[in-house]
Amino acid sequence: GDSVTQMEGPVTLSEEAFLTINCTYTATGYPSLFWYVQYPGEGLQLLLKATKADDKGSNKGFEATYRKETTSFHLEKGSVQVSDSAVYFCALIPFNAGNMLTFGGGTRLMVKP
Amino acid sequence: NAGVTQTPKFQVLKTGQSMTLQCAQDMNHNSMYWYRQDPGMGLRLIYYSASEGTTDKGEVPNGYNVSRLNKREFSLRLESAAPSQTSVYFCASSELTSVSYEQYFGPGTRLTVT
Repeated sequence: GDSVTQMEGPVTLSEEAFLTINCTYTATGYPSLFWYVQYPGEGLQLLLKATKADDKGSNKGFEATYRKETTSFHLEKGSVQVSDSAVYFCALIPFNAGNMLTFGGGTRLMVKP
Repeated sequence: NAGVTQTPKFQVLKTGQSMTLQCAQDMNHNSMYWYRQDPGMGLRLIYYSASEGTTDKGEVPNGYNVSRLNKREFSLRLESAAPSQTSVYFCASSELTSVSYEQYFGPGTRLTVT
């Protein structure tokens, strides 16, 4: 079946450091790909998405590019802030599967001042 | 606009007790979902309701029942709680459109079963 694999955390960075969180997926066809963020004590929020190969999703300084050849959707940010500390989830919706999300295990990011 | 609301926020149950988790959305979405979140496992779908009057099992439905009471409300019931059901439960809603598959999540219910 479809699955999403993320790097295990926690990832600890200093403020203004470069962030990469790796995400790879297994799916048939062309799924839609998502990054969700969960701030402490809150529910998940959509951070960005890409619905076809080579699309780049971006929001709040975060970016991720849909790479069909490597089945990846790595999350990047050039300069992290303390306020970016959260848990980040990579997820997919299989092609023609409505809006049924499959999530990765989540990666906790901790940014120190 | 409250979005997706869940009650209660916290609950402690003894093994064998029952309870219902409530969820409501005010965005007029057709689809609603219940997930559980366990450390290192992401979110796993328990049940979903694609539209009012329909419900379907997700990945981990055993031990749970759901009711889609109306378009706004989708409840999750634990008939006989077990320690393995200790988790954080999230409700979500969405509207499938041609350009967006975003699901909107509630703040969660932290359930402990002793």
